[in-house]
Amino acid sequence: GDSVTQMEGPVTLSEEAFLTINCTYTATGYPSLFWYVQYPGEGLQLLLKATKADDKGSNKGFEATYRKETTSFHLEKGSVQVSDSAVYFCALKPPTWAGNNRKLIWGLGTSLAVNP
Amino acid sequence: NAGVMQNPRHLVRRRGQEARLRCSPMKGHSHVYWYRQLPEEGLKFMVYLQKENIIDESGMPKERFSAEFPKEGPSILRIQQVVRGDSAAYFCASSLDAISTEAFFGQGTRLTVV
Repeated sequence: GDSVTQMEGPVTLSEEAFLTINCTYTATGYPSLFWYVQYPGEGLQLLLKATKADDKGSNKGFEATYRKETTSFHLEKGSVQVSDSAVYFCALKPPTWAGNNRKLIWGLGTSLAVNP
Repeated sequence: NAGVMQNPRHLVRRRGQEARLRCSPMKGHSHVYWYRQLPEEGLKFMVYLQKENIIDESGMPKERFSAEFPKEGPSILRIQQVVRGDSAAYFCASSLDAISTEAFFGQGTRLTVV
């Protein structure tokens, strides 16, 4: 079945460091790919998305490129801030023609702590 | 335009009691999804509903759990005779239709069973 694998955390960085959180997926066809962020005590917010191969999603300095050849959607940010401390979830949604298109499939989440 | 509204934000129940979690989708959205986040785990799909219909409940435990989305009012996730293992964050998401790529999430209800 479809699945998402994220790098394990926690990830601890100093402010202004470069961030990469790896995400790979297994799916049939071309799913849509998402990164969600969960700040402490908060719900889930969509950070960015990509709906087809080679698309790059970007938001708030974060980027991720949909790589079909490597089935990856790694999250990157060039210079992290303390306010980026949160849990980041990679998720996929199967393509429209798939029978189970109705639900997101999630990675386990990666906790990021950014120190001043 | 209010986002997805869930209430209560925090709910404490004793073992054996019932828990009712409410979710009001975004205005104009008729598709609702419930997810559960257990401590130290990712989110797991529970159920997908449209107005007055359960479309996919493959992630719902077979006993004690039920969900509804009536024609009027919020979607309700109901857990009967709660046990400590039900302690989790329950998130609701809504989308405009079945093929929308984006779902919008509420802030979740954190259920604690004591």
